[in-house]
Amino acid sequence: SQTIHQWPATLVQPVGSPLSLECTVEGTSNPNLYWYRQAAGRGLQLLFYSVGIGQISSEVPQNLSASRPQDRQFILSSKKLLLSDSGFYLCAWGSEGYGYTFGSGTRLTVV
Amino acid sequence: QKEVEQDPGPLSVPEGAIVSLNCTYSNSAFQYFMWYRQYSRKGPELLMYTYSSGNKEDGRFTAQVDKSSKYISLFIRDSQPSDSATYLCAMTLNDYKLSFGAGTTVTVRA
Repeated sequence: SQTIHQWPATLVQPVGSPLSLECTVEGTSNPNLYWYRQAAGRGLQLLFYSVGIGQISSEVPQNLSASRPQDRQFILSSKKLLLSDSGFYLCAWGSEGYGYTFGSGTRLTVV
Repeated sequence: QKEVEQDPGPLSVPEGAIVSLNCTYSNSAFQYFMWYRQYSRKGPELLMYTYSSGNKEDGRFTAQVDKSSKYISLFIRDSQPSDSATYLCAMTLNDYKLSFGAGTTVTVRA
């Protein structure tokens, strides 16, 4: 069966520090991968999606970036965090006809 | 106008009641429709997935899609305290990118 792993679960980082969140998927090949952010009390905002290794589409211009170095690995990064980057970050993989499966999320607080 | 509008709630119902959740959308090209349940501090989990107008049942859950009215609903029968969560509707043109509603928080009182 397919599983998705996302870490860390919680992160507190100072303004201006770098960020690296990692997501890996097991049990499937060539998945569509996604990074979403959920602000408190708000819906899900799509940040990046990838349909293959090295293929990244950005939905929202900001100081975040994403990379897909391997088929089942998706990384969200930032060189310098802003206070506004605080939120709940979710990785997901998608399969045609089956919707999305989300990871357990990373709660990021920038202080 | 947002692409997907979801009744904001919150909803509070007694145990055993029927919960009714609704979303409207503006893009008539949407083909696939989903409902997700999200417990506090957890990732959303897929409850229902459908791609045609009409009803789809899964246990206590019924998803309804009306493409002519651009309206989808989720009904939860015999609600339980464990159903207390935030429910998100989502839809997509082609299964690549989902558009989400803002979510409705439901509390089922024992």
